[in-house]
Amino acid sequence: DSGVTQTPKHLITATGQRVTLRCSPRSGDLSVYWYQQSLDQGLQFLIQYYNGEERAKGNILERFSAQQFPDLHSELNLSSLELGDSALYFCASSHSPGYNEQFFGPGTRLTVL
Amino acid sequence: DQQVKQNSPSLSVQEGRISILNCDYTNSMFDYFLWYKKYPAEGPTFLISISSIKDKNEDGRFTVFLNKSAKHLSLHIVPSQPGDSAVYFCAASGNQGGKLIFGQGTELSVKP
Repeated sequence: DSGVTQTPKHLITATGQRVTLRCSPRSGDLSVYWYQQSLDQGLQFLIQYYNGEERAKGNILERFSAQQFPDLHSELNLSSLELGDSALYFCASSHSPGYNEQFFGPGTRLTVL
Repeated sequence: DQQVKQNSPSLSVQEGRISILNCDYTNSMFDYFLWYKKYPAEGPTFLISISSIKDKNEDGRFTVFLNKSAKHLSLHIVPSQPGDSAVYFCAASGNQGGKLIFGQGTELSVKP
């Protein structure tokens, strides 16, 4: 158990809908990262937050957004969902943005029908 | 353009023998490398890491070797155990942390 929690574990929804994925980092970790794992793309970095502020952005679609709250939990919002958004979404945390080791949650499996 | 590559999608070894997983990278700005292990239906688990200023790091049965001139790293598992069967991901980061760039993974199967 990495100490990173993610909810829900599974999510099934329809095209065009909007969903919110939630992540709580390990105790004491200030930085949160979101990754997407799809069959053909592997693990891809989406976005990073540190202490409530956006720190780095990867190949995140404009339909996707995230935020980190004062209690350091983070939410990833996915809207206007398409079939191709079906994937595993992982959250990771680290003590600080300069700390290389990231600890991953169990993931949320999103299925868009 | 894939900056981190794991060219072997799968590897099968006998219990007790050595497992060697390989990883190549193209970006010379990477300064930190990590290996993660992933079981089905779980998130990646951090295994071992190495800074670019070192060429070897050891932790129990796991050793990571880094060859900067060849832009190549490898993970050695000795002795291999059936519980080591999982997908292993190589990852790289640059510029003092931040996003990790992952390879495609190698599925290791350790047979009793």
